Amino acid sequence: DAGVTQTPRHEVAEKGQTIILKCEPVSGHNDLFWYRQTKIQGLELLSYFRSKSLMEDGGAFKDRFKAEMLNSSFSTLKIQPTEPKDSAVYLCASSRDGYAEQFFGPGTRLTVL
Amino acid sequence: QQQVRQSPQSLTVWEGETAILNCSYENSAFDYFPWYQQFPGEGPALLISILSVSDKKEDGRFTIFFNKREKKLSLHIADSQPGDSATYFCAASVNYGNEKITFGAGTKLTIKP
Repeated sequence: DAGVTQTPRHEVAEKGQTIILKCEPVSGHNDLFWYRQTKIQGLELLSYFRSKSLMEDGGAFKDRFKAEMLNSSFSTLKIQPTEPKDSAVYLCASSRDGYAEQFFGPGTRLTVL
Repeated sequence: QQQVRQSPQSLTVWEGETAILNCSYENSAFDYFPWYQQFPGEGPALLISILSVSDKKEDGRFTIFFNKREKKLSLHIADSQPGDSATYFCAASVNYGNEKITFGAGTKLTIKP
């Protein structure tokens, strides 16, 4: 079975740009998660979808971060406008049911200049 | 508030030794504790997990020891190999992963040949 796919693997953006990150979950998984990973803050949850319904929106990330699940096999994370502090690795994960046993993708490394 | 703490931040052991990674938590309601392994350039991968009803879980060379009274757990990696060099994250959740998972900051493990 294919794992979680994320594109692009690397993204460089200028401050103020809009970027869209993409994720394809494991086939048959109902739940999808977006995380941000930095050395300082570690792994932070941005969004959680269950069967395409938004369950968690990541609180502090609401204003410039918007995740969507267009269908059961594709999700996007839009950051608009980007700021240098958004530089991080963005991870997508999926699971059959809930937070247990998440399968993570390889991540997208975002650099905002 | 850091609910899941890991120590040490980094650990170096010789090939063949047992590496011991520690984790402690504050929320007594946590009942599901997964450990994730992350190699550079990849997303975390679920390595082994334990429920609070157990005090030990083994999977090959990997063993979790759990002390509910002290709110501590540890991951033991026996006969450690250079390929085990990675960052290990302890995590915790309530209701067997049906609620938001909290990750520790990670322990970077290096195995010297």
